[in-house]
Amino acid sequence: DAGVIQSPRHEVTEMGQEVTLRCKPISGHNSLFWYRQTMMRGLELLIYFNNNVPIDDSGMPEDRFSAKMPNASFSTLKIQPSEPRDSAVYFCASSTDPNEQFFGPGTRLTVL
Amino acid sequence: AQSVTQPDIHITVSEGASLELRCNYSYGATPYLFWYVQSPGQGLQLLLKYFSGDTLVQGIKGFEAEFKRSQSSFNLRKPSVHWSDAAEYFCAVGESGGGADGLTFGKGTHLIIQP
Repeated sequence: DAGVIQSPRHEVTEMGQEVTLRCKPISGHNSLFWYRQTMMRGLELLIYFNNNVPIDDSGMPEDRFSAKMPNASFSTLKIQPSEPRDSAVYFCASSTDPNEQFFGPGTRLTVL
Repeated sequence: AQSVTQPDIHITVSEGASLELRCNYSYGATPYLFWYVQSPGQGLQLLLKYFSGDTLVQGIKGFEAEFKRSQSSFNLRKPSVHWSDAAEYFCAVGESGGGADGLTFGKGTHLIIQP
């Protein structure tokens, strides 16, 4: 298995632009998680899905952030409009309950 | 709300020496505890996990951790570190097996290995 796949690996954009991060979970996994990692705040859970349904989005910073999981093999995290303080590494992870979460390599986002 | 504290931001250890990374958690019920390692530019890899049973847990790469309920701790240990162990280490707590619910991570401990 290829593991969790995230794209792009690096994204540089300008303030105000829309950013879309993509994640393909491991086949057969029914839970998907989006995390954000910054120096100041460490790793924070943004949102997670079970069987494609959002379960807890309390970690989403504000309305500029949205996440979707249209099917079991694909999820997106969108930021619109982006701001410099959104610069971070965004990780996607997947799992089968109650096993471990497998993390993707992350997307490093820089908003200028 | 659950929380995880890793008191040491940086730790420097000589190659071949023993290692202990500290982790304290706050959680009302029986916790599910994890240690992850992150190499530069990489995602997180699970080292070991504790759900129940034996409080001494063995993981990959020669790591082990001991769950101590009385101290709310889950410290990571390795008897002899290798230069390749240099990385960021995260302790995490979850409400279930880490699958159905998100994890709460500590801020991480940066491990530096001296030759």
